[in-house]
Amino acid sequence: QSALTQPASVSGSPGQSITISCTATSGDVGSYNLVSWYQHHPGKAPKLMIYEVNKRPSGVSNRFSGSKSGNTASLTISGLQAEDEADYYCCSYVDSSTWVFGGGTKLTVL
Amino acid sequence: QVQLVESGGGVVQPGGSLRLSCAASGFTVNNYNMHWVRQAPGKGLEWVSFIENNGRSKDYADSVKGRFTVSRDNSKKTMYLQMNSLRAEDTAVYYCAKDGDNWAFDYWGQGTLVTVSS
Repeated sequence: QSALTQPASVSGSPGQSITISCTATSGDVGSYNLVSWYQHHPGKAPKLMIYEVNKRPSGVSNRFSGSKSGNTASLTISGLQAEDEADYYCCSYVDSSTWVFGGGTKLTVL
Repeated sequence: QVQLVESGGGVVQPGGSLRLSCAASGFTVNNYNMHWVRQAPGKGLEWVSFIENNGRSKDYADSVKGRFTVSRDNSKKTMYLQMNSLRAEDTAVYYCAKDGDNWAFDYWGQGTLVTVSS
């Protein structure tokens, strides 16, 4: 049972904005500002999009942004594009060198 | 550029063993912690294991603890995952990932498929 809960699916039209939530169900996960987000196109290597809640790696579009409020982290994608259609996963450091992923959210660009 | 290449996957019977390798290049391997992450068919990503840059500290998901062992040989720029007592539920694509020193996985390999079936 995942300690991070994500919606199974979200959708949006090109140009719109969408937000994917990631809620910590165990207290120790929610107390860290160590949430990261990954984009995963099936059959390809996952790609880091956001780390430490709201930081973007070099080369990631500024259309991707992260935030956190209480026990819920969020990934927002603005100006949706067809190539954004993918699975998105949140992940958090837990403790003692262990990490946990959310269940994943399938983004459909209509 | 950073490259991670997994190998060693295949079909194995329940109760069997397999050793995965992850060959790294394009960065100073002995400066970075590394991870294994897997994805079962139709399921999400699952963190499996962590190994510190010098190989001293290791940790595992509860689902594999006591059955899987992570190791690394920095002279060969390679990380390993020894998987014993394999179960059907271990069937997955196994990815190696580089730790970005920021509690995240900044580079991933393409994965290697492990199928546990009789």
